[in-house]
Amino acid sequence: DIRMTQSPSSLSASVGDRVTITCRASQNIGNFLNWYQQKPGKAPELLIYGASSLHSGVPSRFSGSGSGTEFALTISSLQPEDFATYYCQQSYNTPRTFGQGTKVEIK
Amino acid sequence: QITLKESGPTLVKPTQTLTLTCTFSGFSLTARGVTVGWIRQPPGKALEWLALIYWDDDKRYSPFLRSRLTISRDTSKNQVVLTVTNIVPEDTGTYFCAHTSAEDGDPFDYWGQGTLVTVSS
Repeated sequence: DIRMTQSPSSLSASVGDRVTITCRASQNIGNFLNWYQQKPGKAPELLIYGASSLHSGVPSRFSGSGSGTEFALTISSLQPEDFATYYCQQSYNTPRTFGQGTKVEIK
Repeated sequence: QITLKESGPTLVKPTQTLTLTCTFSGFSLTARGVTVGWIRQPPGKALEWLALIYWDDDKRYSPFLRSRLTISRDTSKNQVVLTVTNIVPEDTGTYFCAHTSAEDGDPFDYWGQGTLVTVSS
């Protein structure tokens, strides 16, 4: 199974900050890496697919980068509605696996 | 417009079998490249992938739960069913179904709202 490791597990940031979350895969997954945002009590929502493609309707302040085993999600200017938990997930093979999540909290 | 909605019991007793139904619209599960998956989330914990069913009726399961899971589909009703046997308290959590398409590398692009299942005697 491919293990996905996110860092940090949580972070505190202010509105307007630039925030970067990283995700490492235990083996090469090409660009089969997706990022999701989840708010309390809600289903996850797709932000980025294929490592760097923005899902329809997602604000352009979100961006994804990386390939192989190292990936990053960047929020260029944190907005109040961005405080949430973020997950990476590989779709290279099965079993599909998620990272453990990164909680972005208000500083 | 793609939508999915999970349904099933909210309370299950240990050792029972849990049956969850995902009813979807806006796509066909027989269209090449389309899959529907199940993902669960214990309270306060991370997402855990459970199973996938493909457009050609191929199926994939979490290796940790494979012996307890069965995924199936009813294409005439636009439904995907997940059964979990021999329920234990650790199966408590919110269960989501989600759509993927191989066209974009299989991300879970549309999700149901989730259904909370509590295991308790």
